[in-house]
Amino acid sequence: QVQLQESGPGFVKPSETLTLKCTVSGVSITDYYWAWIRQPPGKGLEWIGYILSSGNTNYNPSLKSRVTMSLDTSKNQFSLKLSSVTAADTAMYFCARRLGTSGWIDTWGQGVLVTVS
Amino acid sequence: EIVLTQSLATLSLSPGERATLSCRASQSVSTYLAWYQQKPGQAPRLLIFDAYNRDTGIPARFSGSGSGTDFTLTISSLEPEDFAVYYCQQRSDWPWTFGQGTRVEIK
Repeated sequence: QVQLQESGPGFVKPSETLTLKCTVSGVSITDYYWAWIRQPPGKGLEWIGYILSSGNTNYNPSLKSRVTMSLDTSKNQFSLKLSSVTAADTAMYFCARRLGTSGWIDTWGQGVLVTVS
Repeated sequence: EIVLTQSLATLSLSPGERATLSCRASQSVSTYLAWYQQKPGQAPRLLIFDAYNRDTGIPARFSGSGSGTDFTLTISSLEPEDFAVYYCQQRSDWPWTFGQGTRVEIK
């Protein structure tokens, strides 16, 4: 059974870089496509971007200049870096698996709350 | 980017009643639309994808319909565990986007 677990600091200072990792168990990250989605407190969901099993990425244009995603196949992890954070980046961050090659998410991590302050 | 509008922020219903949730896209998304359910403190859960396909393990009381710009999620008879927030999402055009959500609450 596939499981995803986010890890990273709960607090990040303004202007610094937010770094999160997602550890995948039960499947190899090279067999699927992966995503990061965030949700500000009490608000809706926003796609940050996705990374293919090849390592190719696609980022939301609203965040593209600040986002980097990568795979670490040796640890079966993928990661998110978001630079120059502000209070507007305070959110629950979810790592997730795409359903096949579709844009649907069939498996989610539990999420990690990151506060910029 | 494509904007998805869920016209009702909150829907107040009783267990056993039928729930009808709508999602309208700012331009056609064909049938590239999904519905998710989110309960407090949990990640969303995929219910319906490609407008009308139920994900594995989703009860038959959940159904989706629509194409183009207008979509509906129907819950035929609300169970206590169905009271939650529901989001639609499109994957027709990047960036993929979500609606703002409809909360189904107990009346």
